[in-house]
Amino acid sequence: EAQVTQNPRYLITVTGKKLTVTCSQNMNHEYMSWYRQDPGLGLRQIYYSMNVEVTDKGDVPEGYKVSRKEKRNFPLILESPSPNQTSLYFCASSQVNSPLHFGNGTRLTVT
Amino acid sequence: KQEVTQIPAALSVPEGENLVLNCSFTDSAIYNLQWFRQDPGKGLTSLLLIQSSQREQTSGRLNASLDKSSGRSTLYIAASQPGDSATYLCAVRDTSYDKVIFGPGTSLSVIP
Repeated sequence: EAQVTQNPRYLITVTGKKLTVTCSQNMNHEYMSWYRQDPGLGLRQIYYSMNVEVTDKGDVPEGYKVSRKEKRNFPLILESPSPNQTSLYFCASSQVNSPLHFGNGTRLTVT
Repeated sequence: KQEVTQIPAALSVPEGENLVLNCSFTDSAIYNLQWFRQDPGKGLTSLLLIQSSQREQTSGRLNASLDKSSGRSTLYIAASQPGDSATYLCAVRDTSYDKVIFGPGTSLSVIP
């Protein structure tokens, strides 16, 4: 089944403790991206990647890192999480001219 | 900078009604526009994708149109059902294919 898989689905952590949210797609898509969704602010793009080893900042990249060492994986790294990064995170992928496919989301709480 | 708005913010209709959701964008230089639905606490499900060269797309009871020159897209839902209750989001992709900008969404409630 074609899908975008995010892990974990839920994560509670404390300020400053490094964490990684994984994202994997099995559709051989070149494009992958991360978004956060907050009440009243909607979905905002954090980082995107057009291909392996090619990443760039979206609208809200501060406090996040990403890497794209393999085509299928695009992990989101929070080196020192803070409470303002509490949010619902989504990973998505697509091919040129095809729809964006989204993962089921990761709900992160930073205390 | 591209901005995307959606009207109305919320809509409540009786079952069986036809309805129209609106999406507006400020920069007509887009690659494509995509409509999604999102159920509470869930991920986004793609409904329709319209390329910049297309005028409309249809899938079942859904029809989406695109008028790039005026910066508008509409999502038409025919014969609405309670199962259509969800938040509907539109997103535009810019011409360099990298940035995706979402609208704030329209919360739809279909009353049985």
